[in-house]
Amino acid sequence: QVQLQESGPGLVKPSETLSLTCSVSGGSISRYYWSWIRQPPGKGLEWIGFIYYSGSTNYNPSLKSRVTISVDTSKNQFSLNLSSVTAADTAVYYCAKVSSGYWPLDNWGQGTLVTVSS
Amino acid sequence: DIQMTQSPSSLSASVGDRVTITCRASQSIRNYLNWYQQKPGKAPKLLIYAASSLQSGVASRFSGSGSGTDFTLTISSLQPEDFATYFCQQAYSTPHTFGQGTKVEIK
Repeated sequence: QVQLQESGPGLVKPSETLSLTCSVSGGSISRYYWSWIRQPPGKGLEWIGFIYYSGSTNYNPSLKSRVTISVDTSKNQFSLNLSSVTAADTAVYYCAKVSSGYWPLDNWGQGTLVTVSS
Repeated sequence: DIQMTQSPSSLSASVGDRVTITCRASQSIRNYLNWYQQKPGKAPKLLIYAASSLQSGVASRFSGSGSGTDFTLTISSLQPEDFATYFCQQAYSTPHTFGQGTKVEIK
């Protein structure tokens, strides 16, 4: 099965843009959908959105004005950009593979904590 | 958005107990319901997809049932490694929302 690994800054200043990359190994990104999910400390899971390898996307309306998910098939990576961040965006961010059919998230990265603070 | 409500929010149980967690959707989601287990400091792990299909490699003591708006996750005989938080997720329509979680603790 594929392995996923998130990378990016662990600290972002308020009003700036949070940028994370998910590297996929053990399989090609050029299949399936790929998703971002986040979890504020001590809280539940929030679905951010997903991208198909072709580049088509679907975002959570609550974040749609600030979020961009992109894919780089040449690097077997996909990325998350979240603009105009506030302290409310502090969370562990996970990337995951979306399996076909019933859209389950069947492979997850380990997660990366991003703190928004000046 | 479809709201997912889990009950209970937490429960205490002993090794060997049968445990049932409920998830209710705010509208019909057919069987587009997935269950995850999360241990502290770890990423969630897929247990059940399509309401009742066991993910490969997951212990057979886990089972899921339901369709429409009401779903259950059952652990037939709780094991020490099952103490964790469990989340349901609907994948019928975007955004694919999660329940708030059920924490299973040791009695």
